[in-house]
Amino acid sequence: DTGVSQNPRHKITKRGQNVTFRCDPISEHNRLYWYRQTLGQGPEFLTYFQNEAQLEKSRLLSDRFSAERPKGSFSTLEIQRTEQGDSAMYLCASSRSGDTDTQYFGPGTRLTVL
Amino acid sequence: GDSVTQMEGPVTLSEEAFLTINCTYTATGYPSLFWYVQYPGEGLQLLLKATKADDKGSNKGFEATYRKETTSFHLEKGSVQVSDSAVYFCALSATNKLIFGTGTLLAVQP
Repeated sequence: DTGVSQNPRHKITKRGQNVTFRCDPISEHNRLYWYRQTLGQGPEFLTYFQNEAQLEKSRLLSDRFSAERPKGSFSTLEIQRTEQGDSAMYLCASSRSGDTDTQYFGPGTRLTVL
Repeated sequence: GDSVTQMEGPVTLSEEAFLTINCTYTATGYPSLFWYVQYPGEGLQLLLKATKADDKGSNKGFEATYRKETTSFHLEKGSVQVSDSAVYFCALSATNKLIFGTGTLLAVQP
C-alpha cells in the first residue's frame, strides 16, 4: 500500500510565474483534498474532489488557483501569476469511501515565491 | 464555526518524562477527532483517532480520549523519547474537510 505522493517536493519560482503541483492519492481512495500550510500554522482546507468532481472550494482558493482531477486518479493544483503570499506548503490528502473523515497526507510541496 | 484550540508550545521535556498536550474543540454535531504528527520538512502522519464520545485512540504509546462533556481530546504519552520531537496537530472532521489547531512543538532532550 503506497502512500500519497506529491511532486515536486520543492519549488522556487519568481513572482508572476505559473506553477503546477501534482498529487497521486492512495490507489483505492476516491476522495482527494488540497490544503495549504503556512509557517507556524495548521493546514487550511482549499478544495476536495470525489472521483473527478470538484465538490467544494474554500474562499482561500482565489481565481488564480485551479485544481483538476481529470480521471479521478491524480490531481494537479495550478497557481497562476504567483505572489509572495502564495509561499507555503501545499499538502494533498486522500480518503476512501466508507471512512471519508480519515485523511492520509502526502509529504507536501514547499513553494517559495521570490 | 467549528474550531480547534491547542496549547501553545514549545513543550520541552526530558527523555522518559510524561507528556500531555491539551486540545479542546468547538463543533456542531459529533465530529471525529484526530491527532497528526509532523516531522521537520515532512507532511502529516496520522497518529490516532476517535470517532465518538468516550472512545480512546492509541498508537505508538500515545493515547487520547474523546471527552464530549469537556469538548477535549488531550494527547498523552507515559514516557517520551527524543524521536518523538515533532509538531503535533489536533484536528476535527467538519463537513468534507479537517479543521486543525495551530500545532504544538514538542522538543525532547536526552
